[in-house]
Amino acid sequence: AQSVSQHNHHVILSEAASLELGCNYSYGGTVNLFWYVQYPGQHLQLLLKYFSGDPLVKGIKGFEAEFIKSKFSFNLRKPSVQWSDTAEYFCAFDTGRRALTFGSGTRLQVQP
Amino acid sequence: DAGVTQSPTHLIKTRGQHVTLRCSPISGHKSVSWYQQVLGQGPQFIFQYYEKEERGRGNFPDRFSARQFPNYSSELNVNALLLGDSALYLCASSPSGAGGSSYEQYFGPGTRLTVT
Repeated sequence: AQSVSQHNHHVILSEAASLELGCNYSYGGTVNLFWYVQYPGQHLQLLLKYFSGDPLVKGIKGFEAEFIKSKFSFNLRKPSVQWSDTAEYFCAFDTGRRALTFGSGTRLQVQP
Repeated sequence: DAGVTQSPTHLIKTRGQHVTLRCSPISGHKSVSWYQQVLGQGPQFIFQYYEKEERGRGNFPDRFSARQFPNYSSELNVNALLLGDSALYLCASSPSGAGGSSYEQYFGPGTRLTVT
């Protein structure tokens, strides 16, 4: 069965710390990969996406993610987090059917 | 530009009742997908519609149904509600076309359904 594993359920960081959130997916074929973010009180927003080409993709607000096909991974990174990055982050993939499979999410808390 | 809109925002129903949730996609988007998000979990795919046809269905019972109208808005219907149907129901729309951007999904704020 298709699935996404997000290893960190709750991460607490201080401002200016570096961030890396792990994501591994389970599917043997070609996938489109996404990170979504949900800020407190807001709806899900697309943070970044990977379809093909350069495996290092950059999104909004300084976030980036790297697709490593051999590891079925799509980890999210940010060199220096801000208090405003406090949110829940979801990794997801699509096999071309526009039916996203989501992970269970990682709650990031950034302390000022 | 308006994003995806959903109504109602909140809904309380009793077990056994029926519910209809509504979604209007972003202008120009022809694809609509529905997801269920239970507290503490990621969204789970229910249906995808494109040009008024069902193009995909997740692992949900037949009590769940949906349709898409000529203006691309959509309804999700759930019959014989169970306590376990309590969740946030999300609608997402996607741009048309065949390129990578057509796989991007933009989510609405959701409808919070509570079944008592």
